[in-house]
Amino acid sequence: GAVVSQHPSRVICKSGTSVKIECRSLDFQATTMFWYRQFPKKSLMLMATSNEGSKATYEQGVEKDKFLINHASLTLSTLTVTSAHPEDSSFYICSARRDRGAYEQYFGPGTRLTVT
Amino acid sequence: SQQGEEDPQALSIQEGENATMNCSYKTSINNLQWYRQNSGRGLVHLILIRSNEREKHSGRLRVTLDTSKKSSSLLITASRAADTASYFCAANNDMRFGAGTRLTVKP
Repeated sequence: GAVVSQHPSRVICKSGTSVKIECRSLDFQATTMFWYRQFPKKSLMLMATSNEGSKATYEQGVEKDKFLINHASLTLSTLTVTSAHPEDSSFYICSARRDRGAYEQYFGPGTRLTVT
Repeated sequence: SQQGEEDPQALSIQEGENATMNCSYKTSINNLQWYRQNSGRGLVHLILIRSNEREKHSGRLRVTLDTSKKSSSLLITASRAADTASYFCAANNDMRFGAGTRLTVKP
């Protein structure tokens, strides 16, 4: 199987601080990773697409300076929420794809971020 | 955007009954995928159906595809309480999801 992990699973931080969330593909190399956020009982909203070794492509309306994405290796992508505010509280989910020609995504278990 | 849109938004049935949910999309596709999300968890890939296929089975799941109507349906037979989840479809490489169908299976 293809396993994607996220760390941490839950994090509480104070307003103004930054939080880093890691997404790892454990048993395969992921050329592409995706970051989503999800509000309670809502669908996933695609935030950005990151390809290894290049800059992330952000969806319209997503602030790239606030949500920093780094895809430094084929097994790791990180999302850093900078200067977090309570409205950034959400469920963040990453997914990974084996290669650009593949369709299936493998999702991480998600990270619950609470900003107080 | 080839975003899939699911309906109904919510579906509540008794254990043992069948559940059918639908997905509509906007443009021509090469394939369509269905995913499940349990509350507070990531999504799990269920099944992929290609544009040249009309029906596909996987255990208690049956997926149909009608490219002329740009729609797909997911049928879960003999539902179980553990099937309670949200279900999403995705077309081709489009990573944008619709609102999903929230299925509740009552024991």
